[in-house]
Amino acid sequence: AQSVTQPDIHITVSEGASLELRCNYSYGATPYLFWYVQSPGQGLQLLLKYFSGDTLVQGIKGFEAEFKRSQSSFNLRKPSVHWSDAAEYFCAVGARGYQKVTFGTGTKLQVIP
Amino acid sequence: GAVVSQHPSRVICKSGTSVKIECRSLDFQATTMFWYRQFPKQSLMLMATSNEGSKATYEQGVEKDKFLINHASLTLSTLTVTSAHPEDSSFYICSASGGDSPAGGYTFGSGTRLTVV
Repeated sequence: AQSVTQPDIHITVSEGASLELRCNYSYGATPYLFWYVQSPGQGLQLLLKYFSGDTLVQGIKGFEAEFKRSQSSFNLRKPSVHWSDAAEYFCAVGARGYQKVTFGTGTKLQVIP
Repeated sequence: GAVVSQHPSRVICKSGTSVKIECRSLDFQATTMFWYRQFPKQSLMLMATSNEGSKATYEQGVEKDKFLINHASLTLSTLTVTSAHPEDSSFYICSASGGDSPAGGYTFGSGTRLTVV
C-alpha cells in the first residue's frame, strides 16, 4: 500500500527566506508524486507533479521539488518565500494505473515579516 | 488544462435531511472520479472511487448507504449525504481523471464545506 509522510506539521519562516518542506513516500514502484497547496477554506491547487524523467521538477509560484529515489523523498523548495505562500501544503503519491491519490498529513506554513 | 467544477461551495442543512454535491469535469471526459473528505486540521481521506456507469467502490469504513455516489455520465458525478448528522459536517472534495496527463489529470474541485445543524 502506498503512504506519504510529512514529518513537519507546522513550519514558520521569515518572508524572503528559503523554504524546504519534507515529504517521504512508500510505494512499491516508481510513483506519481504531487505537491498541492490549500488556502484556508479552499480547495487544492496543484503546485507540481512528477511522473518520470528529470527528477527536478519546476512548478508554479516559484516552487520546485526533487525526486530522490534512493531516499524515497520528494521535498518541496522555494528560494524566497512570500507572505502569500502561507497555506497548508500536501504531498501526495499516486498509483500508476489505478490513479488513487494518497495524501500526507500536511504541513502548515506560516510566514512572518 | 483540465478543470473540475464542484458545487455548492458551502451548504448548511438541518439534521436528518439529505444534501447533494456535484462534481463536473468541464473540458474533458472523466472516466473516474474520486471523493475525498477532510476533517478540520487533518488530511484528505479517500471515501470512494466511481467509474462512469459502474457502482462506486468505497473505502473501508465508509458507509455506502449514507454516502451515495452516482457517476451517470462522463462529466458528472454526485455525492449525496443522506440523513445528514452533525458528525457529517466536513469538507468534501472531488477529483477527476481522464484528462490529458499520463495519470489522467488528478484535477481537484474547489471543495464543498458541509455544515449540519
